[in-house]
Amino acid sequence: NAGVTQTPKFQVLKTGQSMTLQCAQDMNHEYMSWYRQDPGMGLRLIHYSVGAGITDQGEVPNGYNVSRSTTEDFPLRLLSAAPSQTSVYFCASSFRAYNSPLHFGNGTRLTVT
Amino acid sequence: RKEVEQDPGPFNVPEGATVAFNCTYSNSASQSFFWYRQDCRKEPKLLMSVYSSGNEDGRFTAQLNRASQYISLLIRDSKLSDSATYLCVVDLTGAGSYQLTFGKGTKLSVIP
Repeated sequence: NAGVTQTPKFQVLKTGQSMTLQCAQDMNHEYMSWYRQDPGMGLRLIHYSVGAGITDQGEVPNGYNVSRSTTEDFPLRLLSAAPSQTSVYFCASSFRAYNSPLHFGNGTRLTVT
Repeated sequence: RKEVEQDPGPFNVPEGATVAFNCTYSNSASQSFFWYRQDCRKEPKLLMSVYSSGNEDGRFTAQLNRASQYISLLIRDSKLSDSATYLCVVDLTGAGSYQLTFGKGTKLSVIP
């Protein structure tokens, strides 16, 4: 099994550009989420989904959109990139939305200049 | 305010030592608790879930103290390969939602 697959691994954007970070899981997990990790801040939840068609905001949702049209895919869209969005982004999934550990993708390192 | 707090360390210990990490959390209704490890520039990986009665996996023991709202991780007979950052993870939302909050991590260096 591939587990959680994130693409791209690295990306450089200019301020104001938009892009989509892709995330796919092949474990039939119900729950999917996006985190960003910044030095000194730890991992912070951006958006999450408890099932296809259902999404909700986490701790730091501003500047990001998500959708969950299928169980497998949970893309993260940056609408108009800003230097403050320079970070490492992790997608994670879990079997269910309760008492279930997260399985992480390898991460996307994004730099906004 | 919803928080998960960890001692950032670093903890520098010799091989073979026993080391313990604590983590406090702010919501007494929290139900889900985990320890993860993260190697430099890698994704977090599950080390172990934390159960109410405490649980052990080889050299690793996790405990939950609901009254004082903390969880702990004990590592016995430390190996060089245990060097990593250890992340405490708690669902602070309790029932009705599922948002796992990560502590900022405790860095462990095991020294030969």
